[in-house]
Amino acid sequence: QVQLVQSGAEVKKPGASVKVSCKASGYTFTSYGISWVRQAPGQGLEWMGWISAYNGNTNYAQKLQGRVTMTTDTSTSTAYMELRSLRSDDTAVYYCARDQSEDAFDIWGQGTMVTVSS
Amino acid sequence: EIVLTQSPGTLSLSPGERATLSCRASQSVSSSYLAWYQQKPGQAPRLLIYGASSRATGIPDRFSGSGSGTDFTLTISRLEPEDFAVYYCQQYGSSPVAFGQGTKVEIK
Repeated sequence: QVQLVQSGAEVKKPGASVKVSCKASGYTFTSYGISWVRQAPGQGLEWMGWISAYNGNTNYAQKLQGRVTMTTDTSTSTAYMELRSLRSDDTAVYYCARDQSEDAFDIWGQGTMVTVSS
Repeated sequence: EIVLTQSPGTLSLSPGERATLSCRASQSVSSSYLAWYQQKPGQAPRLLIYGASSRATGIPDRFSGSGSGTDFTLTISRLEPEDFAVYYCQQYGSSPVAFGQGTKVEIK
């Protein structure tokens, strides 16, 4: 079945980096994009950016420009999101989602909790 | 950038009742690229409606979406126990993608 499986929870110190993976299965990886969305504890959903699995083109949320990098590995059908210079307000659950363009975000990963604490 | 405002913040209803959730955009949403998601505690969001009114795969027909331009509505015709959750609208027609702040549908 179509699914996205994310890597496990992470605990990082302020100033460190984190890299979250999102492995796709059950569909042609390069036919869709992947968006990343995060959710701070008790808060709403925040879009972080998008990457085309076809050609690697990216579009990042302005507030994260310079700190976030999204990549893909088509040989393993895996997308990655790296966030650098972590702060306490980056503590959140990070989700990847299949981005079908006109059909919205139809498949979501299970989420990865990232905790930033000294 | 487009800002989405959802109302009400919380909706207290009983099973079997009708739920009407509103999502208003600060400017017109391109090509009705408006989606609705349901999220339960500890779970990832689930796509309910895309293109303002198209139900996603496997979504029961008690869920319906309507609207265009700047005003959109999600209606749940008869609430089932499993429908009590938080609902988010999303515009994905222009960058940056934006989500509303959510409406919590709770049991009265």
